[in-house]
Amino acid sequence: KQEVTQIPAALSVPEGENLVLNCSFTDSAIYNLQWFRQDPGKGLTSLLLIQSSQREQTSGRLNASLDKSSGRSTLYIAASQPGDSATYLCAVNQGGSEKLVFGKGTKLTVNP
Amino acid sequence: DTGVSQNPRHKITKRGQNVTFRCDPISEHNRLYWYRQTLGQGPEFLTYFQNEAQLEKSRLLSDRFSAERPKGSFSTLEIQRTEQGDSAMYLCASSRALGYTFGSGTRLTVV
Repeated sequence: KQEVTQIPAALSVPEGENLVLNCSFTDSAIYNLQWFRQDPGKGLTSLLLIQSSQREQTSGRLNASLDKSSGRSTLYIAASQPGDSATYLCAVNQGGSEKLVFGKGTKLTVNP
Repeated sequence: DTGVSQNPRHKITKRGQNVTFRCDPISEHNRLYWYRQTLGQGPEFLTYFQNEAQLEKSRLLSDRFSAERPKGSFSTLEIQRTEQGDSAMYLCASSRALGYTFGSGTRLTVV
């Protein structure tokens, strides 16, 4: 059974700092990995999707990497801003299934 | 393209009542998903439709839960005889190929 773990559970940083969020998964037979952002009481916003054949994806200040063999992904946020404050969720799509398996998320607070 | 729309946004119901939620996906998306999220947890998969066919169901989807997607357009999720443990955010997502677009969810509170 696929399990996704995100560390840390919560992170508080001053504005302008670069930071890394971690995601690990137990079964490396994944089709793709996605990072989402969730604001309090809201739905999920897709940030980056990395297919299993890719090593990384970039969008603006965000960079996500994938090491499938070791079961790890990182989300790097450069020059953090208060507007980045949210919960960041990692999810994997298992080959042969349409469902996403999510981690519990990392709650990020960026202090002005 | 107005995104994925979910109604109602909030629902408070008494234990034992039936509730129904609606999801309107992005019009050209043939895949539709339902997830449930409780406080402090990531979303958990409930079910998946490709067009009107329900192709995958989680064991979380007990006999009290039923989902439909008539004509492959909007979808409904019904919970019969609600229990306090059903209190959660119910999220709908749609997709055409890679990547998901999620709706804002329906928050259910069972009192």
